[in-house]
Amino acid sequence: GAGVSQSPSNKVTEKGKDVELRCDPISGHTALYWYRQSLGQGLEFLIYFQGNSAPDKSGLPSDRFSAERTGGSVSTLTIQRTQQEDSAVYLCASSPDRGRNEQYFGPGTRLTVT
Amino acid sequence: AQKVTQAQTEISVVEKEDVTLDCVYETRDTTYYLFWYKQPPSGELVFLIRRNSFDEQNEISGRYSWNFQKSTSSFNFTITASQVVDSAVYFCALSEAQGNTPLVFGKGTRLSVIA
Repeated sequence: GAGVSQSPSNKVTEKGKDVELRCDPISGHTALYWYRQSLGQGLEFLIYFQGNSAPDKSGLPSDRFSAERTGGSVSTLTIQRTQQEDSAVYLCASSPDRGRNEQYFGPGTRLTVT
Repeated sequence: AQKVTQAQTEISVVEKEDVTLDCVYETRDTTYYLFWYKQPPSGELVFLIRRNSFDEQNEISGRYSWNFQKSTSSFNFTITASQVVDSAVYFCALSEAQGNTPLVFGKGTRLSVIA
């Protein structure tokens, strides 16, 4: 079946602009996660959704970052007033609600802020 | 707090050699999950294995094997008879064993297998 998909695959934006990153999880997966991968920081957790609610937003680095999930499916990560330090690969993962916490990752969106 | 340490930043081996990737973790949880992921040059993280903390039985899958030692808080990964296609960055990760929770990743080990 289809895996996790993310769009766009690459995004170049100017400092100060807003960006939206999209994640389509595996069909039927109730849990959805956003992570960020950068050279200096490795893989960092950003936010987790169970259904449409976000029980854990502890990884969001600032109030410029927000995310939503609708219909228990697609999720959008929004970064407002982008800064150069936001440049990274943003990864989305989904997991079935079986308590085994096996997370399946998408290909990521490479964000470059110039 | 949870922490995963992969002390080996980069490893280079010649094809057909065996190689072990080390992973040491810290957690206060009595039950937890441990994972290994592979990130090939294409960039997509590929799930390899999930291990429950109360199951210390070692696991083998083809050329891959995992050694979980709770006494030393280690979950090492061995590739036998390495192949060029094994070249990738390998990440060890840890999570609580309470349903779906975020993964805490190590910094990764870059494995290069030379023909």
